[in-house]
Amino acid sequence: DAKTTQPPSMDCAEGRAANLPCNHSTISGNEYVYWYRQIHSQGPQYIIHGLKNNETNEMASLIITEDRKSSTLILPHATLRDTAVYYCIVRALNFGNEKLTFGTGTRLTIIP
Amino acid sequence: DVKVTQSSRYLVKRTGEKVFLECVQDMDHENMFWYRQDPGLGLRLIYFSYDVKMKEKGDIPEGYSVSREKKERFSLILESASTNQTSMYLCASSSSVVETQYFGPGTRLLVL
Repeated sequence: DAKTTQPPSMDCAEGRAANLPCNHSTISGNEYVYWYRQIHSQGPQYIIHGLKNNETNEMASLIITEDRKSSTLILPHATLRDTAVYYCIVRALNFGNEKLTFGTGTRLTIIP
Repeated sequence: DVKVTQSSRYLVKRTGEKVFLECVQDMDHENMFWYRQDPGLGLRLIYFSYDVKMKEKGDIPEGYSVSREKKERFSLILESASTNQTSMYLCASSSSVVETQYFGPGTRLLVL
């Protein structure tokens, strides 16, 4: 899997949009961008994933640049419960590539 | 919603004890995974299973075994617990090995 680069930490005011960037300049054409988050002492929670089009679900939006070398996860109205470590992963969905590998992620702190 | 449950959130065992960690998913997923997560080492795959009674070794299977007698249940067994197996253990499931993995809440195991 290609590697990703994320800022180690970010703060965001409660109620504002949180924009979490991820660089994946060596991403291959068949690799998806996945986002998970992990609240302290809990299991990782799946957020969203995409290949090249922007995606939105009830939790977040994923914006992928046209060249696919970077992406941004957007939490539209951050709450205190969004405080967590956010992991950006690029992953090819083919057999032999079963395991997930998390990097160091971005520690997002929502400020009241 | 996908629901993955793990039998214990916290567990304390003695060196040499046999330890069973249970994972159950309610989404009729074919595939189940066991990871451990340690600070600085990230997520590491121990074993996964793509069908009942089938198992595949991950990156760190030594000291562990698994059992998948029913589709919804995947057990991780530490035959003789050692202190270096103190860790957060995470179970995940997916509809296929190349689809999104959903995690349980984790079991934090302390081996004394």
